[in-house]
Amino acid sequence: DTAVSQTPKYLVTQMGNDKSIKCEQNLGHDTMYWYKQDSKKFLKIMFSYNNKELIINETVPNRFSPKSPDKAHLNLHINSLELGDSAVYFCASSQEARPNTGELFFGEGSRLTVL
Amino acid sequence: AQSVTQLGSHVSVSEGALVLLRCNYSSSVPPYLFWYVQYPNQGLQLLLKYTSAATLVKGINGFEAEFKKSETSFHLTKPSAHMSDAAEYFCAVSDRFGNEKLTFGTGTRLTIIP
Repeated sequence: DTAVSQTPKYLVTQMGNDKSIKCEQNLGHDTMYWYKQDSKKFLKIMFSYNNKELIINETVPNRFSPKSPDKAHLNLHINSLELGDSAVYFCASSQEARPNTGELFFGEGSRLTVL
Repeated sequence: AQSVTQLGSHVSVSEGALVLLRCNYSSSVPPYLFWYVQYPNQGLQLLLKYTSAATLVKGINGFEAEFKKSETSFHLTKPSAHMSDAAEYFCAVSDRFGNEKLTFGTGTRLTIIP
């Protein structure tokens, strides 16, 4: 059983389209995250939710909208996709609300390619 | 704002040789420090973390790291490299007093030469 699972693993789409990535964790954690890893492997946090409440919202374009229907799920919807959105998007979860003392559990990533 | 700098985007060592991956941090408050490993086509996995207990931290797979405040460093070492250690390694930092975020370094790709 995968602890943090993301779907789809690969996504190829045209500029201007809208797409979603889903994430589910079965670890019973309260906090979930979305990270973006660019082509140079640089990893940056986008959002985090604690018990369905948004607690971190980095300076991400508002074309990106996270949604947490329950604490086990955190989905990422992207409107009007741009070339620069091409990246690997990682979902993660942690037991604690504060990730600085805890361990993050990452999914395997969703590789988004915008043509 | 805190940050980490990983010296060397690529490191190659022979199988059985010492592994040394360098990480220097910048933080205005005492930091928490982490090393994560990413195997090909996988997510990141925690190797070890420093959260103000012992300055020498032991992690999984025989890795360890030493927190040196005077050098603002948290270098990752392993006495004897194994082929399975080939991966991307990320150093990360967060502060203790309210900052919720982990800030990652740019990563070091470790290649093991047979």
